[in-house]
Amino acid sequence: QKEVEQNSGPLSVPEGAIASLNCTYSDRGSQSFFWYRQYSGKSPELIMSIYSNGDKEDGRFTAQLNKASQYVSLLIRDSQPSDSATYLCAVNDLKAAGNKLTFGGGTRVLVKP
Amino acid sequence: DAGVIQSPRHEVTEMGQEVTLRCKPISGHNSLFWYRQTMMRGLELLIYFNNNVPIDDSGMPEDRFSAKMPNASFSTLKIQPSEPRDSAVYFCASSPPQGRNEKLFFGSGTQLSVL
Repeated sequence: QKEVEQNSGPLSVPEGAIASLNCTYSDRGSQSFFWYRQYSGKSPELIMSIYSNGDKEDGRFTAQLNKASQYVSLLIRDSQPSDSATYLCAVNDLKAAGNKLTFGGGTRVLVKP
Repeated sequence: DAGVIQSPRHEVTEMGQEVTLRCKPISGHNSLFWYRQTMMRGLELLIYFNNNVPIDDSGMPEDRFSAKMPNASFSTLKIQPSEPRDSAVYFCASSPPQGRNEKLFFGSGTQLSVL
């Protein structure tokens, strides 16, 4: 079983709609959760981080964390064609020194005009 | 700040040749990570260093792969001999020392093609 699981997609959403992405993780003790966006042919870039249960909003992005259920989600409101990318969920590894992250396989999002 | 710098951006080589990938982390960052990304396996951690010391190399596929970090500003990932299945994008990333929650900063990656 992979440590961080995501639906690979593609998740197709019309422009202006809400895109909802989910991620589950296996290490119940994980404390830090991140969402990275990766455009085709580019490197991943951090868009959201969340450490506590509940919601965290940043512009059109909302991250949601539920540690009891071991899932973290990302909502993209008012989706734009420029949001078309692969979104990677990452979870920190408490057993490791330093800031070691384990990434999920990513969800590809397509926003259609 | 120039960010994480990787070289070369693209590398095409023939099976059996030695390949060396280079990375310069962001100044002041004390953790450095080498990732490999393929369509089939996604983003995999190969090895990471903390304060120039290798901490976890369990992701290194086999003895053909080796990595070094001789100082805080430079790291190399070497594949010898290279094989076609090593074809992938190799990313280097670094993070600052403030805590466990610091984000990773990725370089632009090296696209490796082994023919």
